[in-house]
Amino acid sequence: NAGVMQNPRHLVRRRGQEARLRCSPMKGHSHVYWYRQLPEEGLKFMVYLQKENIIDESGMPKERFSAEFPKEGPSILRIQQVVRGDSAAYFCASSPETGDGYTFGSGTRLTVV
Amino acid sequence: KNEVEQSPQNLTAQEGEFITINCSYSVGISALHWLQQHPGGGIVSLFMLSSGKKKHGRLIATINIQEKHSSLHITASHPRDSAVYICAVRKSGNTPLVFGKGTRLSVIA
Repeated sequence: NAGVMQNPRHLVRRRGQEARLRCSPMKGHSHVYWYRQLPEEGLKFMVYLQKENIIDESGMPKERFSAEFPKEGPSILRIQQVVRGDSAAYFCASSPETGDGYTFGSGTRLTVV
Repeated sequence: KNEVEQSPQNLTAQEGEFITINCSYSVGISALHWLQQHPGGGIVSLFMLSSGKKKHGRLIATINIQEKHSSLHITASHPRDSAVYICAVRKSGNTPLVFGKGTRLSVIA
């Protein structure tokens, strides 16, 4: 069981480009959460998904950000037209239906230059 | 006011000292998590608590549901314990975590 896999670990994008962050949950986990950690700040919730459904996206910026968790494949957090303020660590976590065994991935560190 | 408050914000200790980090929350919860993050590193889940006390090695976590308070203790602290310790709560079921701002611990040899 490889745990929650996030890739890439580090991502550098120029302003205006698109960033795609991937998260494969633990085997048997059907709930995926994305969190963002801005430099020198705490973790903040972005979006909560189950397979093919967005359950709660109250933490997502209204523009440029989107997330999906398709029936097959990893969850994707997509940031269009990145700006310097998007530079942060993006963490994914997954949990099973019971809510126990909450597990974080290693994160993707996005740098916008 | 944040729903999850941690204290202290920063803590420096000598190797071998007993360390306590506190977490208070203001909402009803189904579970409380203690997390560890090393500089530039990932997040490791140390404990998930809904009542009572848990122990793992030199780490002990307690929770008092009535007082809405939890503590993380580290016995015989070591420089490798230096990290940010984060308290997070889940309000119900599979809802997302709400985080405290973290406690930055430095253990000096």
